[in-house]
Amino acid sequence: ETGVTQSPTHLIKTRGQQVTLRCSSQSGHNTVSWYQQALGQGPQFIFQYYREEENGRGNFPPRFSGLQFPNYSSELNVNALELDDSALYLCASSSGQGRTEAFFGQGTRLTVV
Amino acid sequence: QKEVEQDPGPLSVPEGAIVSLNCTYSNSAFQYFMWYRQYSRKGPELLMYTYSSGNKEDGRFTAQVDKSSKYISLFIRDSQPSDSATYLCAMSTNAGGTSYGKLTFGQGTILTVHP
Repeated sequence: ETGVTQSPTHLIKTRGQQVTLRCSSQSGHNTVSWYQQALGQGPQFIFQYYREEENGRGNFPPRFSGLQFPNYSSELNVNALELDDSALYLCASSSGQGRTEAFFGQGTRLTVV
Repeated sequence: QKEVEQDPGPLSVPEGAIVSLNCTYSNSAFQYFMWYRQYSRKGPELLMYTYSSGNKEDGRFTAQVDKSSKYISLFIRDSQPSDSATYLCAMSTNAGGTSYGKLTFGQGTILTVHP
């Protein structure tokens, strides 16, 4: 177990709706990243938060947004859901102390219908 | 062209075989290299983390990095049915700026070890 927990584990939403996914980072880690993993693909970087500030963003539209809280937990929000948003959403935490290995949670499986 | 290329397989081997998994990359700025194992419907689990060129061994696993060829490998000795999973290579550039901590993954290789 990595100590990174995500909720919920599964979610079904309708196209056009909004969704919020949550992540609690591993103890001592101040950096949280979010990834989207489509079926049969490797994870794709969405964005990263370091000490409550966005610190890098991948090639995702602005309807993907996030927050990091003082306890370093994080949220991923997706507005105006599209069918292609159906994927496994992964949260990863890292210590941000000059080491870049990341530890992942179990993911949230989002299905958009 | 993708920054990281990984043969998706699938790869099927008998128990006890030596498995070789490989990735190539095009971005010479990548300096940190990782291998993750992902079981079905689970999050990736970190197996190996390396920084420099050369070999790193951990039990039955050996990670190899050749920066001059932009090529990394993961070897699994005495493979077991419990090793059946998807193996993902991942890379990141040096710390600093907006690329700090961003991992770029390969597509993943599906491995099945049969008894």
